[in-house]
Amino acid sequence: GAGVSQSPRYKVTKRGQDVTLRCDPISSHATLYWYQQALGQGPEFLTYFNYEAQPDKSGLPSDRFSAERPEGSISTLTIQRTEQRDSAMYRCASSLSGGGYEQYFGPGTRLTVT
Amino acid sequence: EDKVVQSPLSLVVHEGDTVTLNCSYEVTNFRSLLWYKQEKKAPTFLFMLTSSGIEKKSGRLSSILDKKELSSILNITATQTGDSAIYLCAAPSGTYKYIFGTGTRLKVLA
Repeated sequence: GAGVSQSPRYKVTKRGQDVTLRCDPISSHATLYWYQQALGQGPEFLTYFNYEAQPDKSGLPSDRFSAERPEGSISTLTIQRTEQRDSAMYRCASSLSGGGYEQYFGPGTRLTVT
Repeated sequence: EDKVVQSPLSLVVHEGDTVTLNCSYEVTNFRSLLWYKQEKKAPTFLFMLTSSGIEKKSGRLSSILDKKELSSILNITATQTGDSAIYLCAAPSGTYKYIFGTGTRLKVLA
């Protein structure tokens, strides 16, 4: 597509519910990243995919967080049993490849857990 | 642990002023440093720096890397209200993981 898109743009959920966030990267981009951005902070790395491979899960805050990119394009980030501390902006970015290429960010999903 | 630190955290200037934003890094196997501008929506890419001492320039914005000092600066001359944003710097830590600073919030008053 023309740019990185994410859905939903806003999500309000009750504590304990599961949520799934979606990212559609730029079609020619091999690498996709997920970040969590708290208010007043820079994006914090969660995980990345190179095509469908997910070599690095070290940034995921807990085992309640998981991500998939089954066909090497669209990715989902799922948070199970949400907690209030999960409230943040979740950003997806994509790049041609890893190794220092510039990343193009999507508009983000603002998640609020009540 | 790798880290990126930005200063100042926030800055208020008047239109026409020149500003200098700082980014320092401690990254194993440093390869590059990137600057982004974040307005209300997504961060947008400004510059990528890999070589020390070579200035990158785009209009009123310029940036330079100092590998000896493990730092970079972003200069904005003749600031305009449209420059008001959060400026982020980031460095790859490993091949794919990027470490971002907390950002500098710049407000330009008319």
